[in-house]
Formats: sequence, structure tokens, C-alpha cells
Amino acid sequence: DVKVTQSSRYLVKRTGEKVFLECVQDMDHENMFWYRQDPGLGLRLIYFSYDVKMKEKGDIPEGYSVSREKKERFSLILESASTNQTSMYLCASNTRGAGEQYFGPGTRLTVT
Amino acid sequence: GQNIDQPTEMTATEGAIVQINCTYQTSGFNGLFWYQQHAGEAPTFLSYNVLDGLEEKGRFSSFLSRSKGYSYLLLKELQMKDSASYLCAPGNGNTGFQKLVFGTGTRLLVSP
Repeated sequence: DVKVTQSSRYLVKRTGEKVFLECVQDMDHENMFWYRQDPGLGLRLIYFSYDVKMKEKGDIPEGYSVSREKKERFSLILESASTNQTSMYLCASNTRGAGEQYFGPGTRLTVT
Repeated sequence: GQNIDQPTEMTATEGAIVQINCTYQTSGFNGLFWYQQHAGEAPTFLSYNVLDGLEEKGRFSSFLSRSKGYSYLLLKELQMKDSASYLCAPGNGNTGFQKLVFGTGTRLLVSP
């Protein structure tokens, strides 16, 4: 079975803190994605990566950056957390050319 | 631009059949996904349509009309565990890579 894991299920941070969200997949997938999910807005793509050290902006990249140093790991970084970044963050992965994305369990981040 | 429209909420009775509709407008369309998401959990893959027509998989079926920008998910013999949100997600992109754009989801409530 494909397994996508995220470093934390729940996280509480203060405004201005630097926040790291980690995602690891064990299926040798080329593509990895970071989404955030908010009520009434659905899942929105923040960043994605199709190879090691490659990254592309999604629909809402402002305030975020990413890092992919190894194929299995994709990190989302909030350089200076703000309250409007309180959300559920979901990581996903899939193989090159294949559609189905496999999701991690999500991290519910609260910024106070 | 990209636009996805699906009903916000639907209710149905155990054992019944329900159809969840989705209309979309997206550039570079190359397939449509349906995901199921239980409250507090990650989305899980249900179906993928590339060609027009009906794809059947057990109690769930999905239909696509590319020319009309329309899809539906059909759930038969409803069970209480089918209470969840159902996300319509058209894909777009070049060969070898596919981005998904998610609708806000349809929350299905199944009652006894």
C-alpha cells in the first residue's frame, strides 16, 4: 500500500514563527503536492514538485516556500506564520503521468 | 480560468441511490477524478474518467461528458458509512504531469 505520512497531525504556532511541515512517501513517486483545505474553499494547491530540487508554484503560493532535497520528502515552509495560514494542510504524491494522488493524513495548523 | 460547480449538500436514505453532479470549466482538461473524504480524514480516490461514458466500480459509478463539461458520481445501495464529502476534481496539464483542481465538495448525509 502507498503510504504518505506527515510529521504532525496537530500543530499550534505563534504569529511570526517559522514553521516546517514535513511529508514523506514510500512509493518512489516523482510528483509531490502541498494543498491547504478551508471550509467553503475546498482544496487549493500551494506548491508542487515533479522531481528532486524542482518546484512549481500552485494557485496560492504567497507566504509559503518548499524544499525537496530527496525524492521521498517534500517540506512546506511558512517563513513567518500568520493567522490567515491557520488551516488543514494536506500532502499528496503520485507517479509521473499517473493521475491518482495519494494523500497524507493532514496537519491541522493553528496560528495564534 | 477554472470553475467547478457541485451541490453543497445532499441527503439520502440507507439503501437508496444518489447522484452527485459536477460541472466544470478548465483549460487543458485531461481527465476527471472523484474523491471521498470523511470528516477529519484525508481524501481517498474513488474513480477516474478520461473518456466519455460510464465507469462502474462496485456500488460506485462515474460518468463523464467531455463536450458538456459534466460528470456525475452514482452511489447505489447507500450505507451509513457513505456519509462523507465527495470531491470532483478535473485534471489538467501536459503529458507526463497532471494538476488537479478540486471543487468545494458535496457533503452527503445518509440517514437510516
